[in-house]
Amino acid sequence: EPEVTQTPSHQVTQMGQEVILRCVPISNHLYFYWYRQILGQKVEFLVSFYNNEISEKSEIFDDQFSVERPDGSNFTLKIRSTKLEDSAMYFCASRGDRVVGGYTFGSGTRLTVV
Amino acid sequence: DAKTTQPNSMESNEEEPVHLPCNHSTISGTDYIHWYRQLPSQGPEYVIHGLTSNVNNRMASLAIAEDRKSSTLILHRATLRDAAVYYCILRDWAGGYQKVTFGTGTKLQVIP
Repeated sequence: EPEVTQTPSHQVTQMGQEVILRCVPISNHLYFYWYRQILGQKVEFLVSFYNNEISEKSEIFDDQFSVERPDGSNFTLKIRSTKLEDSAMYFCASRGDRVVGGYTFGSGTRLTVV
Repeated sequence: DAKTTQPNSMESNEEEPVHLPCNHSTISGTDYIHWYRQLPSQGPEYVIHGLTSNVNNRMASLAIAEDRKSSTLILHRATLRDAAVYYCILRDWAGGYQKVTFGTGTKLQVIP
């Protein structure tokens, strides 16, 4: 069964450093998403991406965050200057062209900011 | 967004059926009912979705009330692997790109 692949599985970074989280969505999917989950809390929407542009973003997704699909296969989330409160699991998801289709999520990247 | 209400937690014995309820009394005519689950230390996983009619797939069944104000996710035979948080989510199909928004869900414990 097709999978969404995320790398790395765990990243530790120092406060103020830039991090890039990488995702390879399912190859024929058109819609891409980033979510995050702080330990013990709900899964929160960050951003959706379609046709090479952001279609929606949440209040969490401020100027420190950016997304890119640089080569038609990878989908990246960049955090420019990490804060302690950015520590969370970050999940990438994708879906195909059916509007009501389900999302396929990756297994996540655990980001720890120290 | 129309809201859903789920019990915080439920228990089931292994190999018995599980009925996970969801109330959505303010559902609109264009809202699809989606279910996802999240196993421990994993990303969410799509389970099933429906609009008006009951739906079956290899993972589960979805029973939708005639007035659509409630639905039930049915796991026909719970296994230990089904222990997870189950999320009932409404998505408006007319919204096009409308995102999946997670609530707190129902934590299902499966007892061996």
